[in-house]
Order: sequence, then C-alpha cells, then structure tokens
Amino acid sequence: NAGVTQTPKFRILKIGQSMTLQCTQDMNHNYMYWYRQDPGMGLKLIYYSVGAGITDKGEVPNGYNVSRSTTEDFPLRLELAAPSQTSVYFCASVALFNSPLHFGNGTRLTVT
Amino acid sequence: DQQVKQNSPSLSVQEGRISILNCDYTNSMFDYFLWYKKYPAEGPTFLISISSIKDKNEDGRFTVFLNKSAKHLSLHIVPSQPGDSAVYFCAARRLTGGGNKLTFGTGTQLKVEL
Repeated sequence: NAGVTQTPKFRILKIGQSMTLQCTQDMNHNYMYWYRQDPGMGLKLIYYSVGAGITDKGEVPNGYNVSRSTTEDFPLRLELAAPSQTSVYFCASVALFNSPLHFGNGTRLTVT
Repeated sequence: DQQVKQNSPSLSVQEGRISILNCDYTNSMFDYFLWYKKYPAEGPTFLISISSIKDKNEDGRFTVFLNKSAKHLSLHIVPSQPGDSAVYFCAARRLTGGGNKLTFGTGTQLKVEL
C-alpha cells in the first residue's frame, strides 16, 4: 500500500517552460488536493477535487491547471513557469470528512 | 487574510519537559481542527484532531485543547522527546460544505534538546 505518490521529487524549470506534477493514490479516496508550501508560510490550497471529473479552485489557483480523469490520479499542470511558482508542492487525499488528509512527500520545484 | 495563525515560528524545549504549541483562528465557521507534524523532505503526517463539540482530546503523549470562545487551540506534548523535533502545523476545516478543505497555519518549528 503506497499511499500518496508524487513524482518527480525535484525539478528545475526555466521561466516559460511547462511541466506536470504527478500525483497518484491507491487508497480509493474520492477527495484529492494540491497544496504549495513557501518558506515560513503554511500550506496554501491550489486546487482540489471531490471525485473523478470534478475539480475546483482553492486559494491560489492562478498559473495552474488540474484534471481528474480517474479516482487514482490528480496531475497538476504548470503552463508558463514563473519564479513565483518556486515552491514545494504537496498532493493529499482523503476518503471521508472525519478522516485526516494523507500527504505525499512533495515535489520541490525551482523556476529560474 | 490568514485565518489560522501560529504566532510562534519556533520553540525550544528540553527533553522530558512539556511542549506547548499554540494556534489561533478567526473563521467562526471552522468546527474541526487538526495538528500535523512535518519532518524535512517529507509530507505532513496527521497527529491529532478535535471537533468543536469537545474541549480536549488526548492520544498518548499528545493532547489538544480547544477554547472556542477565544478561537484558540493548543497542542501539549508530555514528555517531549528528541524525535518530536519537527515543524507542527495547525489546520482547520468546516465539517459541512467547504469541499473538505483544510486551512493551515504557518507552522511552529519545535526543537527538543537533550
């Protein structure tokens, strides 16, 4: 049982490049989330999904896109990378309201 | 607009003593609160939670206290151990509606010294 798996672990992008951060979970959780963590700042919600085919914006969605074609996968897309997107990105999932979120180990992204 | 606040960025405690981490919130719609622990290069892991219908929840060395009127919660760790050294995040959620989303505080770095 792998839980929440994120790839890659690290990535360096040039300004204007695009990339997809992958997230997959094997717990059959309906709810999935993308957070970013900047130094000294807590985790900010980028996008979330309450089930396959349903996504919605969080606090800081600008510059990102998501899709949820299957229950397992919730990729995060950066179309035109900017230095402000340098951050650590965490994916999380949860089955029920009264359960805690399970987090992946993060993707550290640097945009230069 | 920081709805969940952890005003102490860091805390240093001696091994065996009590660690008290504090958290304040402003949104009165929050009615479920969680503490997460985070080690470097890992994702946050769930520690303990409390519903707004309670004022205390205990799990081994960890106790969370909730004061709804003050919109304040605290995490007590007794006794503190070196392995408790980590960043602790307070988080809050609305039990109904809200897409089951968590709002996080900025974290407190706890260092437990020998």
